[in-house]
Amino acid sequence: DAKTTQPPSMDCAEGRAANLPCNHSTISGNEYVYWYRQIHSQGPQYIIHGLKNNETNEMASLIITEDRKSSTLILPHATLRDTAVYYCIVRVKEDTGRRALTFGSGTRLQVQP
Amino acid sequence: NAGVMQNPRHLVRRRGQEARLRCSPMKGHSHVYWYRQLPEEGLKFMVYLQKENIIDESGMPKERFSAEFPKEGPSILRIQQVVRGDSAAYFCASSLTATNTGELFFGEGSRLTVL
Repeated sequence: DAKTTQPPSMDCAEGRAANLPCNHSTISGNEYVYWYRQIHSQGPQYIIHGLKNNETNEMASLIITEDRKSSTLILPHATLRDTAVYYCIVRVKEDTGRRALTFGSGTRLQVQP
Repeated sequence: NAGVMQNPRHLVRRRGQEARLRCSPMKGHSHVYWYRQLPEEGLKFMVYLQKENIIDESGMPKERFSAEFPKEGPSILRIQQVVRGDSAAYFCASSLTATNTGELFFGEGSRLTVL
């Protein structure tokens, strides 16, 4: 799986958009970008994933640059409940090697009132 | 549709005792993963199982830890002769197929405290 780089921490004002960056300059053509988050003391939660097109669901939007070397997770109107550690993970979708997902250090997002 | 169910949510054991953690995957999911999270640390993969088979146990400590996922019933993570360093949150996740292992559904975790 390609290596990812995320800032260790970020702050965001409540009600504003939270933009969480992720660099993955060594991503391969068949690797997807996945985002998870872990709210304190809870199990990690899948947010969204994408290959090259921008994706949106009820939780967030994922913007992937044209060269696919970086991406941004956007929480359009952050709330206090969005305070969590956000993980960006790059891996192939159909993993014939059958390896499990591995989590890095992530970005600790603090939403401020 | 119930999510991934883990029990017990909290478990206290004295050094030397055994701990058994259970995980029932989401309905229809046959792939189960166990992760450990030590206090103030990240998630570490332990073991990946598919019904009755261990697929990858590369993250599992060689001694005292074992996991199973029988044909019937939940997956069990067993820790024998627990030590204080085993105190952690243990998370279970499941996925529908082996070909979409990037999309995992996690339980709320079992928190083990070793006295």
